[in-house]
Amino acid sequence: DAKTTQPPSMDCAEGRAANLPCNHSTISGNEYVYWYRQIHSQGPQYIIHGLKNNETNEMASLIITEDRKSSTLILPHATLRDTAVYYCIVGYTGANSKLTFGKGITLSVRP
Amino acid sequence: DGGITQSPKYLFRKEGQNVTLSCEQNLNHDAMYWYRQDPGQGLRLIYYSQIVNDFQKGDIAEGYSVSREKKESFPLTVTSAQKNPTAFYLCASSNREIGNEQFFGPGTRLTVL
Repeated sequence: DAKTTQPPSMDCAEGRAANLPCNHSTISGNEYVYWYRQIHSQGPQYIIHGLKNNETNEMASLIITEDRKSSTLILPHATLRDTAVYYCIVGYTGANSKLTFGKGITLSVRP
Repeated sequence: DGGITQSPKYLFRKEGQNVTLSCEQNLNHDAMYWYRQDPGQGLRLIYYSQIVNDFQKGDIAEGYSVSREKKESFPLTVTSAQKNPTAFYLCASSNREIGNEQFFGPGTRLTVL
């Protein structure tokens, strides 16, 4: 069963911010929100994760709504190299835990 | 350089043959995972292991087997019982603490002829 809902695709202009939405209305209290991306024929790359608070690192920002039912990944200045499939996943790693990857959202950055 | 290695990158086998895919990590992670990816699809979990000498079935374990004799290694065998083995196989590892992210290897593309 899919725990997250993402639109299949979106695009943005190079240099602009890319805002990738994700719905996770059935998230439980101790589940994290993770974002990964996968460039064609490579292994997925971890981007960021969070539990309740907004998070920022050198790659992106993660905004989680107060009710935790949705989140947005923000790439502040998208480049052509950011073109990839982005996966939003809820769950947690730890003893006997696992993450479930859906189909993700394909982000196309145009020149 | 710390990381996860998978070999080989491309693998070809004849139908009916078993094949073992290698996954090694030097990140000192306790947990390791195997995923399968088909074209245009997300990742599906085959097996995972949280500790040496222990592993659990994922969502699509039929036709696959694993072992975890060493912390660094988690090989996956695709047996002849797997009806559609051609796919992209990805290995990952993580610390066991709750919330830690998974790190992925580069993947092995298996083609069964």
